[in-house]
Amino acid sequence: LAKTTQPISMDSYEGQEVNITCSHNNIATNDYITWYQQFPSQGPRFIIQGYKTKVTNEVASLFIPADRKSSTLSLPRVSLSDTAVYYCLVGATGGFKTIFGAGTRLFVKA
Amino acid sequence: EAGVAQSPRYKIIEKRQSVAFWCNPISGHATLYWYQQILGQGPKLLIQFQNNGVVDDSQLPKDRFSAERLKGVDSTLKIQPAKLEDSAVYLCASSVAWGPHQPGTEAFFGQGTRLTVV
Repeated sequence: LAKTTQPISMDSYEGQEVNITCSHNNIATNDYITWYQQFPSQGPRFIIQGYKTKVTNEVASLFIPADRKSSTLSLPRVSLSDTAVYYCLVGATGGFKTIFGAGTRLFVKA
Repeated sequence: EAGVAQSPRYKIIEKRQSVAFWCNPISGHATLYWYQQILGQGPKLLIQFQNNGVVDDSQLPKDRFSAERLKGVDSTLKIQPAKLEDSAVYLCASSVAWGPHQPGTEAFFGQGTRLTVV
């Protein structure tokens, strides 16, 4: 199972772009990269998933280099409501021994 | 679309007592998961069901934890007897399918049950 490494915490200001990088050096050929967001007193919420190159949806972008040993979640123009914990997962989505690490605590300031 | 429903939201029990949590997944979701999230940590998978069969329960402390999903829909997670270290949030999640080759099989989580063992 691929282990992931993320920064423990990050600070940002409203309106800025935030990039959270996740390292997964032993990612397997068939593994996908998935990011979840969790607010206090709520369950995690799916943000984005990708396999290679770039994926974009209405919430975020996910950049994956050719070697796939890392990935970067990009949140454009964050707001106070983006303050949350962000988890990077590698493997099958939502199960199959999914391992959530400690995540990255993002704090957005006014 | 209704989300994953869990009850109760909060529970306080004394150690050595028993407790049960209930989960109703999103309609049509064949895969159901129970996670344990200790304060300050990421969720840890306890058990995964595919319909009413167990796919993975390798991290479930089977001497005190049990789970069932009898008709392939609702599920219950039980702890008997509870220990102080079982204090955590218990999250239920569901997905349409699972597997390393199936993109889009994201899990949808309920709000969880916060258990305090005193």
